[in-house]
Amino acid sequence: DIQLTQSPSSLSASVGDRVTITCRASQSISTYLNWYQQKPGKAPKLLITGASRLQSWVPSRFSGSGSGTDLTLTISNVQPEDFATYFCQQRFSFPLTFGGGTTVDIK
Amino acid sequence: QGHLVESGGGVVQPGRSLRLSCAASGFSFNMYGMHWVRQTPGKGLEWVADISYDGRSEDYGDSVKGRFTISRDNSENTLYLQMNSLRLEDTAVYFCAKDWGLMENQDAFDMWGQGTMVIVSS
Repeated sequence: DIQLTQSPSSLSASVGDRVTITCRASQSISTYLNWYQQKPGKAPKLLITGASRLQSWVPSRFSGSGSGTDLTLTISNVQPEDFATYFCQQRFSFPLTFGGGTTVDIK
Repeated sequence: QGHLVESGGGVVQPGRSLRLSCAASGFSFNMYGMHWVRQTPGKGLEWVADISYDGRSEDYGDSVKGRFTISRDNSENTLYLQMNSLRLEDTAVYFCAKDWGLMENQDAFDMWGQGTMVIVSS
């Protein structure tokens, strides 16, 4: 199974900060990576597919990059509504697996 | 805008069975693959199973293979998860989720239900 390790597991940021979350895969997954945002008590929401394609609802301050084993999610100019937990998920091979999550909270 | 509503969760003893349902509305259910994903505070998100749009193919996570069965009734717009031989570690919130791909699973989940809690306890 492909293991996904997210770092950091949590971070504190101020509104307007730039935030970068890394998802490291135990083997190359090319760009077969999706990102989700989850707020407390809610289901996750699909944010990015194919490592860098934003879903239609996602503001352009979000971006995804990378390929192979190291992929990143960046939020430039963090807004209050962005404070949440973010998960990566690989679709390179079965079983599909998720990273452990990164919680972004307010500093 | 589509909607998914899970039901069937509850408290069950180890070794017993439970069947979850997921009612879909607002989209062409028979054109999309579907998944079950579970979440626990300790283990995070875990993909459980998926089924193709036509029900002809299924896949399972290692921890549930041989115990859980995913199925669907396209005439009723409903997804199911039959869970047998339940274990303590199956305790989780179970979400049904719609696959992003049209008539071909793309293994990204673009619509989720609210989740149903399953507690396995003696």
